[in-house]
Amino acid sequence: DIVMTQSPDSLAVSLGERATINCKSSQSILYTSNNKNYLAWYQQRPGQPPKLLFYWASTRESGVPDRFSGSGSGTDFTLTISGLQAEDVAIYYCQQYYSTPQTFGQGTKVEIK
Amino acid sequence: QVQLRESGPGLVRPSQTLALTCTVSGGSMSTTGYYWSWIRQPAGKGLEWIGRLYSSGTTDFNPSFKSRITLAFGTSKSQFSLQMTSVTAADTAVYYCARDKGDQFDSDGYPYPIRAFDIWGQGATVIVSS
Repeated sequence: DIVMTQSPDSLAVSLGERATINCKSSQSILYTSNNKNYLAWYQQRPGQPPKLLFYWASTRESGVPDRFSGSGSGTDFTLTISGLQAEDVAIYYCQQYYSTPQTFGQGTKVEIK
Repeated sequence: QVQLRESGPGLVRPSQTLALTCTVSGGSMSTTGYYWSWIRQPAGKGLEWIGRLYSSGTTDFNPSFKSRITLAFGTSKSQFSLQMTSVTAADTAVYYCARDKGDQFDSDGYPYPIRAFDIWGQGATVIVSS
């Protein structure tokens, strides 16, 4: 199984400031045939199911605010929230879909400082 | 717009079988290219993919569960189910059904699967306890 490791486990950021979440896969999830990284990011607010933010590591899902951005390739990926808003308080997960079983990171909790 | 809703018993006795149903509305499970998955989340913990079902009936399972789970379509094919045998307290979790984004096609028509989950049910809480 591909192990996904996120860092940090939690972070507190002031409103309007930047939040950066890292995700590392235990092997490359870059598929050379299409040069795409098989990585997704999700946001989960309390009591809600996860919401897809990005796929192919950096393709924003429809309706996701552009203060969210995804980047990285191979084994190292980053989710950035530029200008944290109160509604961004949530747990964020990365997920690889390069191979079965699809696996998730352990989650990163984002709070307001 | 496709929507999913999980249903089933909220309490299961240890060693018994957990059975959940996901009802699909606003779309057809017969549409090719999409996988229909079950994912679970113990309270306060992360997400674990259990397995998935394709429109053809093909299934894939997380090896962690393979010997205990069955995925199947309902008779109307607007439902799919999860059965998990020999449950223990460790199977206590919120169980979600979800659909992925399907296939993306390149300029030559070659499909690349986007197995990221864009549609989720609200989740069903299952407690395993005597």
